[in-house]
Amino acid sequence: NAGVTQTPKFRVLKTGQSMTLLCAQDMNHEYMYWYRQDPGMGLRLIHYSVGEGTTAKGEVPDGYNVSRLKKQNFLLGLESAAPSQTSVYFCASSYSINRGRQETQYFGPGTRLLVL
Amino acid sequence: AQTVTQSQPEMSVQEAETVTLSCTYDTSESDYYLFWYKQPPSRQMILVIRQEAYKQQNATENRFSVNFQKAAKSFSLKISDSQLGDAAMYFCAYRKTSYDKVIFGPGTSLSVIP
Repeated sequence: NAGVTQTPKFRVLKTGQSMTLLCAQDMNHEYMYWYRQDPGMGLRLIHYSVGEGTTAKGEVPDGYNVSRLKKQNFLLGLESAAPSQTSVYFCASSYSINRGRQETQYFGPGTRLLVL
Repeated sequence: AQTVTQSQPEMSVQEAETVTLSCTYDTSESDYYLFWYKQPPSRQMILVIRQEAYKQQNATENRFSVNFQKAAKSFSLKISDSQLGDAAMYFCAYRKTSYDKVIFGPGTSLSVIP
């Protein structure tokens, strides 16, 4: 049971380049999330998904797109990377039980992205 | 809107001593969850402890315990018998029970002095 995994672990992009971050979980969780972490700001939610084929915007969605084609995978895309997107990105997942009540979120190890 | 505040950017504690990390939050909800997460240098977020607002009893997990003051909207974390492995960033977090978003505080960096 690997839990939540993220690929890649580290990436350097040039401004304007695109890339996709992959998050995978093997816990059969319904909910998945993408956060970014910046110094002094805690974690901020980018997008989330409450089930296969559904996605929703979080606090800071601009410049990112997501897809949840399979229950176990949640992809985060940057179409045209900007230096402001330099950050550490965390994926998380959780169950959804009892009309929206969730269990604890389980986090992946993070992806460090540097945009030059 | 809900907010989570951690007023101590950095804390330090002697090994084997006790330290308390502070957290306050703002909400108009009566039912919600509160969490403390630990982020060691490896960067992975690890759940330390969870508290349901409808429970009056403070949560405890081995050396970690909380002091949950619902009326004051305060949720502090006490670490007893501090160990070197406790050195990390600690994030307080809040979530409404019927909503999907977890709101994190800015974090407190804890150093453990041998």
